[in-house]
Amino acid sequence: EPEVTQTPSHQVTQMGQEVILRCVPISNHLYFYWYRQILGQKVEFLVSFYNNEISEKSEIFDDQFSVERPDGSNFTLKIRSTKLEDSAMYFCASSNGGSSYEQYFGPGTRLTVT
Amino acid sequence: RKEVEQDPGPFNVPEGATVAFNCTYSNSASQSFFWYRQDCRKEPKLLMSVYSSGNEDGRFTAQLNRASQYISLLIRDSKLSDSATYLCAVNPRNTGGGNKLTFGTGTQLKVEL
Repeated sequence: EPEVTQTPSHQVTQMGQEVILRCVPISNHLYFYWYRQILGQKVEFLVSFYNNEISEKSEIFDDQFSVERPDGSNFTLKIRSTKLEDSAMYFCASSNGGSSYEQYFGPGTRLTVT
Repeated sequence: RKEVEQDPGPFNVPEGATVAFNCTYSNSASQSFFWYRQDCRKEPKLLMSVYSSGNEDGRFTAQLNRASQYISLLIRDSKLSDSATYLCAVNPRNTGGGNKLTFGTGTQLKVEL
């Protein structure tokens, strides 16, 4: 069964450093998403991406964040200058759109900012 | 009012019991609804979509009540392996999957011997 994959599983970084989180969505999916979940809190939407551009973003997704689909398979989330409050689990998800709006999540990257 | 609201629980039930969770949503224009299961420190796994007519998948039944703006999940014959947090998710617009999911905080279920 195809699945979303994410690397790394855990990233530790110092405050102010840049991080890039990587995702490989399900191969025939067209819509890609990033969500985050701070420990003990709910899953929060960050950004959606379709046809090589951002289709929607949340208030959390400020100028420190960017997304890219550098090739036909990867989807990345970059945080330019990490803050302590960026520590969270970051989930990538994908959907094939059309008649199915179901989103499938990757295993997540745990980001720890020290 | 929160966009998506769930009773956090925990719901402690004996094995074999039937348990039901509700989730309310505030946006009456919401179009798509889902139940996800999340194990501790893992990703949300899609359990089922919720359709207007209701749908069933084995021991799991999901229903939508648009008039009262809630969705429900019923689990029959609970098993120890059903212990998890159940997340309600709402997609406010029905435009082909290009839209965000808004999640509730989740309801924790513990199934005991």
